[in-house]
Amino acid sequence: QVQLQESGPGLLKPSQTLSLTCTVSGGSISSDDYYWNWIRQPAGKGLEWIGRFYTSGSTNYNPSLKSRVTISLDTSKNQFSLKLSSVTAADTAVYYCAGPQGFLDYWGQGTLVTVSS
Amino acid sequence: QSVLTQPPSASGTPGQRVTISCSGSSSNIGSNYAYWYQQLPGTAPKLLIYRNNQRPSGVPDRFSGSKSGTSASLAISGLRSEDEADYYCAAWDDRLSGYYVFGTGTKVTVL
Repeated sequence: QVQLQESGPGLLKPSQTLSLTCTVSGGSISSDDYYWNWIRQPAGKGLEWIGRFYTSGSTNYNPSLKSRVTISLDTSKNQFSLKLSSVTAADTAVYYCAGPQGFLDYWGQGTLVTVSS
Repeated sequence: QSVLTQPPSASGTPGQRVTISCSGSSSNIGSNYAYWYQQLPGTAPKLLIYRNNQRPSGVPDRFSGSKSGTSASLAISGLRSEDEADYYCAAWDDRLSGYYVFGTGTKVTVL
């Protein structure tokens, strides 16, 4: 069974770049037809899909975040990562990683990222 | 701003049947599968229904999904106290380069 675990800084200042890593265990991150996703959830609000990396090498991003987001894979560490640039307070949320099917069959426990000066 | 619309709340007594609707459009539910997730308080979401009406291993058959046109529904029969949670529908949207969209979420309360 696949397990995912998010990690990264919990506090950022406005204009900085958010960088999170998701460590995958129980399976190879580079297996064919796998999709590795990031999702976020502001406190008390709904889920927002950020984007995904398909093991074919392609990516898809939420149009509202596309200009600031990069998702990439590190197959040597069985990890994938999220970078979100120029953060503001509106980016404060719990960030989840999920995969490997396109419909998000396994999720990490989530990590809280707060943006504050 | 979500493109999939759900009622903000639903409720029922133990043993009742509760249904949650998810309204989309031709670019998402109308042309792609619908999915449902359950989020218990303070926990990560969990996949509940995939490909409109399929249950992952371990999900009780009290949960069922359906799709008709540009809408999808989740039914919970034999409601139990542990079903009290937030429920989200989701689908792939074909617009622009394609992206995954979640519903607005429905809070289910067991009275």
